Amino acid sequence: EDKVVQSPLSLVVHEGDTVTLNCSYEVTNFRSLLWYKQEKKAPTFLFMLTSSGIEKKSGRLSSILDKKELFSILNITATQTGDSAVYLCAVLSGGTSYGKLTFGQGTILTVHP
Amino acid sequence: EPEVTQTPSHQVTQMGQEVILRCVPISNHLYFYWYRQILGQKVEFLVSFYNNEISEKSEIFDDQFSVERPDGSNFTLKIRSTKLEDSAMYFCASSEILFYTEAFFGQGTRLTVV
Repeated sequence: EDKVVQSPLSLVVHEGDTVTLNCSYEVTNFRSLLWYKQEKKAPTFLFMLTSSGIEKKSGRLSSILDKKELFSILNITATQTGDSAVYLCAVLSGGTSYGKLTFGQGTILTVHP
Repeated sequence: EPEVTQTPSHQVTQMGQEVILRCVPISNHLYFYWYRQILGQKVEFLVSFYNNEISEKSEIFDDQFSVERPDGSNFTLKIRSTKLEDSAMYFCASSEILFYTEAFFGQGTRLTVV
């Protein structure tokens, strides 16, 4: 059974802090790893990673994938209260099928002013 | 920016009733998905749909569930005889290309079975 595990489950920081969120996975037929931010309802897409060692960056957020060790990290620098959300890691897998996302349980990030 | 839209945003139904959740995927997307999230739990894959047929489904997607693309724009999830444990947020998603591209999620339909 495909498995995605995120840590920590929750994190409380102050504005300006840097945080690192972790995601490890065990799936068959790995295609890519995706990070989403879920504030109230729908997950909104952050990054998709397919190759090891190549950092993806968007503003204060960055992410990297290690396909040998089967994990990814999401970094957020200079956190703001607007970064408070649940961060979801999901792995896209699929062999002969058309790909399904297996989600981790999420990391609840709370940023205090 | 194009988006996936879902209706209704919230539906309350009695146990045993049939419900249909509706989704309008992004217009040039070819792959469609339903996920659900029971309150406080993980987002779970239900089904993927391509070329007018189910391409993969999870063990959750039993005979009570069905999907359809009736008119080339809507993508529906039907639950035939709802159970209390079907109460969840149901997300529709779509993607343009099969692999190496992200799926865009709709805002979800909150289904409450009473």
